[in-house]
Amino acid sequence: DVKVTQSSRYLVKRTGEKVFLECVQDMDHENMFWYRQDPGLGLRLIYFSYDVKMKEKGDIPEGYSVSREKKERFSLILESASTNQTSMYLCASSLWRVNTEAFFGQGTRLTVV
Amino acid sequence: DAKTTQPTSMDCAEGRAANLPCNHSTISGNEYVYWYRQIHSQGPQYIIHGLKNNETNEMASLIITEDRKSSTLILPHATLRDTAVYYCIVTGTASKLTFGTGTRLQVTL
Repeated sequence: DVKVTQSSRYLVKRTGEKVFLECVQDMDHENMFWYRQDPGLGLRLIYFSYDVKMKEKGDIPEGYSVSREKKERFSLILESASTNQTSMYLCASSLWRVNTEAFFGQGTRLTVV
Repeated sequence: DAKTTQPTSMDCAEGRAANLPCNHSTISGNEYVYWYRQIHSQGPQYIIHGLKNNETNEMASLIITEDRKSSTLILPHATLRDTAVYYCIVTGTASKLTFGTGTRLQVTL
């Protein structure tokens, strides 16, 4: 069974902390994505990666960075967490072609206090 | 990616067909229509996709108009477990999916 696994389901962090959200996929997918989801705003793309060490900014990259050192793992980093980064974070992966589907993790609900 | 327009919400009685519309009047020739759904507190789940022909799988059917400017997702026999937000996405690249706010489908007894 194909799987995208996010390291935490719920996370509470303090303002100013450095936060790492980890995502691992077991499907040998080239593409990996990080989204955040907020009420009324839908899913918004933060960053995506189409290969190891390759990344591109999505629609809302400010305040975030990413790391992809291995094909199966894509990390989202909040360098200095702020309360406006309280959100649901979703990781996804897909093959590098148009005619394919994306697989999503269960999400990490991050609360910054 | 072409922009899509979906109704904010819809209701459907259990056992009946749920027909969810999507307008994508600016779709380009190489763009696919994808449907995903998100059940509360879970990650989105792929349902179906198509280019210009109608498609059917074990979950749903996708009807795309001949001019490709709109499409309809059909859940033939909706159940309470189909209550979710349904997203219609049009994309011609592998690089990203742009989600709108989708249609909230409520299936009732």
